Amino acid sequence: QKEVEQNSGPLSVPEGAIASLNCTYSDRGSQSFFWYRQYSGKSPELIMFIYSNGDKEDGRFTAQLNKASQYVSLLIRDSQPSDSATYLCAVRGVGNQFYFGTGTSLTVIP
Amino acid sequence: GAGVSQSPSNKVTEKGKDVELRCDPISGHTALYWYRQSLGQGLEFLIYFQGNSAPDKSGLPSDRFSAERTGGSVSTLTIQRTQQEDSAVYLCASSSAGWTSGGYEQYFGPGTRLTVT
Repeated sequence: QKEVEQNSGPLSVPEGAIASLNCTYSDRGSQSFFWYRQYSGKSPELIMFIYSNGDKEDGRFTAQLNKASQYVSLLIRDSQPSDSATYLCAVRGVGNQFYFGTGTSLTVIP
Repeated sequence: GAGVSQSPSNKVTEKGKDVELRCDPISGHTALYWYRQSLGQGLEFLIYFQGNSAPDKSGLPSDRFSAERTGGSVSTLTIQRTQQEDSAVYLCASSSAGWTSGGYEQYFGPGTRLTVT
């Protein structure tokens, strides 16, 4: 079983819609959760992190964490074509080890 | 510096040669990670350094791979006797050790694209 699982997609949404990206993790001891965006040919860039149950909002992005169900999600409101990228979910486990999902490819259609 | 830097940005080498990849982390960051990303694949963890502690080498795919970190700052990833399957983008990331931001978030360098011919 992989430490972090994401749907590979591709996920397509029309411009202005809400994009919902999901991630599950296997280690209940995981402490911090991260969403990275990676454009083709570029390195990952941090969008948000969350470590408490509930929602965390930053502009058009909202991260949601449910430790009991071991899932974390990212909502992108008012999606823009510039949001088209691969979104990586990462989890920091005990001992500072990071585990990355394989990413979900998002395409926002103008 | 302002961010994580890596060199070279691109490296083409012949099968069987040794290569060295360099990473300069963000100043003050005590944690440094190396990852490998093959085309269309996710990030594969290779090795992790935290301060003066022994590195976590659990992700190194073979004994041809090694890494060191001098003075708690710059790190070098060495691949000996390169094989074609070593072709990938090698990414370095650094993070701070304290809960100043609560997240231990990692910041990535631009990567080194290694091509073994």
